[in-house]
Amino acid sequence: QKEVEQDPGPLSVPEGAIVSLNCTYSNSAFQYFMWYRQYSRKGPELLMYTYSSGNKEDGRFTAQVDKSSKYISLFIRDSQPSDSATYLCAILAGGTSYGKLTFGQGTILTVHP
Amino acid sequence: GAVVSQHPSRVICKSGTSVKIECRSLDFQATTMFWYRQFPKKSLMLMATSNEGSKATYEQGVEKDKFLINHASLTLSTLTVTSAHPEDSSFYICSARSGTGGNEQYFGPGTRLTVT
Repeated sequence: QKEVEQDPGPLSVPEGAIVSLNCTYSNSAFQYFMWYRQYSRKGPELLMYTYSSGNKEDGRFTAQVDKSSKYISLFIRDSQPSDSATYLCAILAGGTSYGKLTFGQGTILTVHP
Repeated sequence: GAVVSQHPSRVICKSGTSVKIECRSLDFQATTMFWYRQFPKKSLMLMATSNEGSKATYEQGVEKDKFLINHASLTLSTLTVTSAHPEDSSFYICSARSGTGGNEQYFGPGTRLTVT
């Protein structure tokens, strides 16, 4: 079993739809959760960073963490064609001085006009 | 957000030669930098962790003599691919972690290496 599982998709939605991206993890030591967006042939861009259970909102993006279920989600409201990219969840174990991230496989999202 | 740059963005080299890739944190000091490799349509694979002023820590299966990492300052880490072969062709990405104790990692734009 992989430490972080993420449905690779691909996911295709119409413009304006609400997108839900999810990851599950197995290691209860994981404490810090990040979502990255990666456009083709570019480096990942940090979208959201959370460390507690609950919701965190930033514009059209909401990150949700449920530590009891070891489940994290990223919601995108009013999706736009410019949101088309690969979305990666990344998780960090607490107390790790080197900050090694464990990534999900990435979900390919296409938002069509 | 914090900015990390990489140079060059693309490089083509002949088999047997060495290639150096630079990773710079532009607006913050990074005590720790990470080097990743990414294959097409795959997630990032951590190669090594680079700490300023000390030897890099390599992940299992990564040849430290082939992938030389130097982190000489708080804003610069370099990855040198020595005696490159076509199978080393890949997308190499660095990330930097702020020295202020934050857990966020900021990624560079990546370097596309092609070995002919």
